[in-house]
Amino acid sequence: NAGVMQNPRHLVRRRGQEARLRCSPMKGHSHVYWYRQLPEEGLKFMVYLQKENIIDESGMPKERFSAEFPKEGPSILRIQQVVRGDSAAYFCASADVRGRDNYGYTFGSGTRLTVV
Amino acid sequence: SQQGEEDPQALSIQEGENATMNCSYKTSINNLQWYRQNSGRGLVHLILIRSNEREKHSGRLRVTLDTSKKSSSLLITASRAADTASYFCATDSMNRDDKIIFGKGTRLHILP
Repeated sequence: NAGVMQNPRHLVRRRGQEARLRCSPMKGHSHVYWYRQLPEEGLKFMVYLQKENIIDESGMPKERFSAEFPKEGPSILRIQQVVRGDSAAYFCASADVRGRDNYGYTFGSGTRLTVV
Repeated sequence: SQQGEEDPQALSIQEGENATMNCSYKTSINNLQWYRQNSGRGLVHLILIRSNEREKHSGRLRVTLDTSKKSSSLLITASRAADTASYFCATDSMNRDDKIIFGKGTRLHILP
């Protein structure tokens, strides 16, 4: 079991470009969560998805950010027209309904986005 | 918004000593979880304690939970250099809104 896989590990984008971050959950996990972490800060919740459904996007900025978790393939966090303030580490976590209350969440290694 | 607040923000101790970190939260919870993050890495789940539990052990880790005070503590006994990391508490609320909310973390540094 490879765990939660995120790619790329590092991503550099110029202002105005698009950033696409990918997350493959652990095998058997149907719940995906995206978090953003600024330097020296904790993780801020962004969005919670199940297959083909956005369950909670209360932490997502209203503009430029979107997320999906298609029936096939990884979950994608998309940031359009990136700005310097988007520079951060973006973490994905996955869980299954039964295990979450016992074992918590499994996190990927993150994607570090740098906007230049 | 932040649900958990860790205390202290930073802690330096000698190798072999015990390290205690505290976490306070605001709303009723279903469970509370502690995670470790090494510099530049992802988070590793350490231990989960349910709202009806008061204490839990895992190896050198001991977690307590006081729901009346809305607080938890993480004790690492006989610290090692490899314990140097940031430690975060995260709460799973009673509202079952299906996300965990993190505090800002305690940065622990073990001195050789």
